[in-house]
Amino acid sequence: EAGVAQSPRYKIIEKRQSVAFWCNPISGHATLYWYQQILGQGPKLLIQFQNNGVVDDSQLPKDRFSAERLKGVDSTLKIQPAKLEDSAVYLCASSARGFNQPQHFGDGTRLSIL
Amino acid sequence: AQSVTQPDIHITVSEGASLELRCNYSYGATPYLFWYVQSPGQGLQLLLKYFSGDTLVQGIKGFEAEFKRSQSSFNLRKPSVHWSDAAEYFCAVGVSSNTGKLIFGQGTTLQVKP
Repeated sequence: EAGVAQSPRYKIIEKRQSVAFWCNPISGHATLYWYQQILGQGPKLLIQFQNNGVVDDSQLPKDRFSAERLKGVDSTLKIQPAKLEDSAVYLCASSARGFNQPQHFGDGTRLSIL
Repeated sequence: AQSVTQPDIHITVSEGASLELRCNYSYGATPYLFWYVQSPGQGLQLLLKYFSGDTLVQGIKGFEAEFKRSQSSFNLRKPSVHWSDAAEYFCAVGVSSNTGKLIFGQGTTLQVKP
């Protein structure tokens, strides 16, 4: 089966600019996650979708970050305006519906803020 | 508060030697525990998981992990390390059986000497 697809792989922007990331989950996976992974740290959940509804966005900085999952398939994560501390790898993961189904990760987008 | 601690930031072992990566968790209920591996520039891959039952779980690539409730630990082991095992390893705890939310440790970087 095809894995989780993310684009772009790399992005360099200046602070205060905006940026968007795209994720296409594994076909049929109802749950989609966005994680932020700062260098030297483990991934931190930003937002979780079940189909096209938000399940958990408690750690999403809502003043600058937004995410949507239209039609319950692809998802986009946006940052506007970006800050220096947003430099990180943004990982998308998906899982099948059900009890603690394993999460499958994409290769991530590495964001550098100048 | 729920948390995962990986005490070793960096470990170096010789090829063919045995490996143990430590993981300690803090969680009030029955934990659901995972080990993931991340190669440079790639997403995370699930090595193994523990939900219940036998406290010694087998995973892919010859890895195993043992759950010890009395020590709040879930250490990862491999009897003989290969050069291709060099990567970053993350322990995670599932903090919600409803949402599948994971909290990750900060990771352990494994270097393999020839």
